[in-house]
Amino acid sequence: EIVLTQSPDFQSVTPKEKVTITCRASQSIGTNLHWYQQKPDQSPNLLIKHASQSFSGVPSRFSGSGSGTDFTLTINSLEAEDAATYYCHQGDSLPYTFGQGTKLDIK
Amino acid sequence: QVQLQQSGPGLVKSSQTLSLTCAISGDTVSSNSAAWNWIRQSPSRGLEWLGRTYYRSKWYNEYAVSVKSRISINPDTSKNQFSLQLDSVTPEDTAVYYCARQGTGWFGAWGQGTLVTVSS
Repeated sequence: EIVLTQSPDFQSVTPKEKVTITCRASQSIGTNLHWYQQKPDQSPNLLIKHASQSFSGVPSRFSGSGSGTDFTLTINSLEAEDAATYYCHQGDSLPYTFGQGTKLDIK
Repeated sequence: QVQLQQSGPGLVKSSQTLSLTCAISGDTVSSNSAAWNWIRQSPSRGLEWLGRTYYRSKWYNEYAVSVKSRISINPDTSKNQFSLQLDSVTPEDTAVYYCARQGTGWFGAWGQGTLVTVSS
């Protein structure tokens, strides 16, 4: 089973700040890494697919990069509505696995 | 746009069977380019993939090892939906359960989630 480790677990940030969340895989997964945003009491929503491809309708301030074992989600010019928990997910091999999540708090 | 609507009880007794259904609109369960998954989320386990069903000239099912002996995911082409059955539940199966449509590895559409509490 592929283990995904995110950092940090929690971050308190101010609006307009740039945020970087990392996800490290326990073995190489190419670019089969996807990012989701989950707000309280809501289902996760896909932000980025295949490491760097923005999903339809996602604001351009969200971007992703990386390949192999190291991946990054970047949020440029953070907005108050971006307060949420962010998860990475590997779709490379079964069983599919998720990172433990990174909770963003907006000051 | 694909939409998934979940239904099923929110309370199940220990040792009984958890049953949930996910109705699909905007796609078909027998699509040759999608897979239909169940995922659960709890504070102790985080997001946990449980299994999937998909059609590629015939039906396939794949399950997580942790639940493989207790789980069944079945398509219903007449109602365009798929279901989850989890047998012999314990309080550790208490979680929010989601159905999700899988594209090429990623989950692009999710159901609204169902909190299932297993009472002892």
